[in-house]
Formats: sequence, structure tokens, C-alpha cells
Amino acid sequence: GQQVMQIPQYQHVQEGEDFTTYCNSSTTLSNIQWYKQRPGGHPVFLIQLVKSGEVKKQKRLTFQFGEAKKNSSLHITATQTTDVGTYFCAAPNFGNEKLTFGTGTRLTIIP
Amino acid sequence: NAGVMQNPRHLVRRRGQEARLRCSPMKGHSHVYWYRQLPEEGLKFMVYLQKENIIDESGMPKERFSAEFPKEGPSILRIQQVVRGDSAAYFCASSVDRPANTGELFFGEGSRLTVL
Repeated sequence: GQQVMQIPQYQHVQEGEDFTTYCNSSTTLSNIQWYKQRPGGHPVFLIQLVKSGEVKKQKRLTFQFGEAKKNSSLHITATQTTDVGTYFCAAPNFGNEKLTFGTGTRLTIIP
Repeated sequence: NAGVMQNPRHLVRRRGQEARLRCSPMKGHSHVYWYRQLPEEGLKFMVYLQKENIIDESGMPKERFSAEFPKEGPSILRIQQVVRGDSAAYFCASSVDRPANTGELFFGEGSRLTVL
């Protein structure tokens, strides 16, 4: 079945540094979604990308969808302590519709 | 407009007992998903349901686990004869549309099951 891999698994950065997480799939994706889960919390939807090469921004967050629609990235500029959490990408499987989540990247901030 | 409601938030069971987890989707949502999350791990898909139908249960263990989403009432995830390995957070999510049709998922706060 479809697998969605994310790297890195963990990332520790100084407050103010940038952060990037990458998501890769072995198959072409119809769309990709990004979620954030704070420690002890539940996943919260951030954004969805649909088009090949699409780039979307939300304040300090930049999301990209690859030209081949097999990979995606989330970049955070000048991290803040509020950015702490685990970031997941997720994509639907063709045919059976379930949303498969990536392994996640856990971001910790050093003040 | 209430979000996805899950209960109980915390549940403690002894080995061999049954656990029932309930999920009420957001108003207007007919698609429900259950995910399991072990501590420090990712979200593992379990089952995807629409009203009265199981669409995909490929992530459900073959034994002891069952799920339903009746015409009336919440979705139920039932775990029979629980074992310690069932200890996890179980998240329910709902959407207004299928994931392939840009259906973002709204998650509940989760039910944390501890098996003693």
C-alpha cells in the first residue's frame, strides 16, 4: 500500500532559526494535507495542496507541492516557541480513500 | 458549532475487559475515521466509515476490534478482551467530503485508553 515518509523524525532548533520538514511518497498523490499536533493535543489541519508545483503561505509557514506530486515540504521561518509540536503530512490513497499520515516530524524549540 | 466530540477522554480497563469509545462527528459531516496513536508515534489508520457503512477497515486488527456508525447516534469503536498493547490514544476525525475530494479532517481530542 501507499507509504508516506517524512524526514527528519526529530528537529531541535534555536528560537529564531528556520525549520523544514519533507514528505515523500512512492506514488503520485491527488492532494496532500498538513497537520500540526501540539504535545498532548490532537491533530489540527493546517493546509491542503492540490496542484502540481503549488506553493502556499500562511504567515511564517510556506508549503510546497512537488511538480511530480510525489513530495511536499513545510518550511517555517524564524521559529517561535508556539511552533512546538509534531507536523504531519497526509495524503489520500487512490481507490480506497483513506487518509494516510506520514511518520511526522517533531519540532522542539530551544529558547 | 461543536467540533468532533469524543468520550470518554480517559478510560482505564483491566486485561480482558471491553472498551467502548464514542465519537460524534461535526454537524453535517458524514465521513468518520478512527486513528490509533501510540506514545511518541504517528497516527495509524484504523477504519473509515460513512453512515451505516464501513468503507475501509484495512487498518483494523482482525480480531477483537470492531467499529460502527449507525444511522442515529455516534460512531463506536469497540475493543473486546483488551490487552496491554491496546493502550494508546484513539482519535476520531470527521469530514464533510472524501479525502480525495479535498476533505480536510477535523479531529476530536482523543480517547486515551490505559490497560492495566
